[in-house]
Amino acid sequence: EAGVAQSPRYKIIEKRQSVAFWCNPISGHATLYWYQQILGQGPKLLIQFQNNGVVDDSQLPKDRFSAERLKGVDSTLKIQPAKLEDSAVYLCASSGLVRRSYNEQFFGPGTRLTVL
Amino acid sequence: AQSVSQHNHHVILSEAASLELGCNYSYGGTVNLFWYVQYPGQHLQLLLKYFSGDPLVKGIKGFEAEFIKSKFSFNLRKPSVQWSDTAEYFCAVKGRAAGNKLTFGGGTRVLVKP
Repeated sequence: EAGVAQSPRYKIIEKRQSVAFWCNPISGHATLYWYQQILGQGPKLLIQFQNNGVVDDSQLPKDRFSAERLKGVDSTLKIQPAKLEDSAVYLCASSGLVRRSYNEQFFGPGTRLTVL
Repeated sequence: AQSVSQHNHHVILSEAASLELGCNYSYGGTVNLFWYVQYPGQHLQLLLKYFSGDPLVKGIKGFEAEFIKSKFSFNLRKPSVQWSDTAEYFCAVKGRAAGNKLTFGGGTRVLVKP
């Protein structure tokens, strides 16, 4: 079974530029997550989609971050404009409902963003 | 707000030594508990999980964890580590009180010397 795919793997930009990340979840997984992992910290959830609807975006800095999952499959996360503190690894994860509320999240390799 | 704390940021030990990594979380109610591992250059992957039932959970590669509800803890253990256990380990908690959002601890980097 193919895993979660992300691109690009690395991105270096200057502050105030914009950047976009792409994620393709495991086939059939209805739920997609974007996490931000700053160096030395654990991943922090930015946004969760269920199919093409947003379930939780309470920790997404909406003044500069946006995300979409228009067809309920792949997703893009955009930062515009980027700040120095956005330097981090951006992880995408997906899950499929197994039973009750439990659903293991499968993670992609991440995109390492460096903002100069 | 829910929080997850891992007691050690870095652990260095020799092969065959025993490993225990601490994890505590801050809130009550029903929780699902997880340990994830990230080997060098690889994706985050699930090591083990606690959903309900026996509080002693066995995972892959000889790891186990014990859920102690009264202490809000979910410590990870392995009796005898190998060099290949060098990785970063993350504890994570999902609770209904926090909207079923998965909250991660800060991670513990484990280096096993051959």
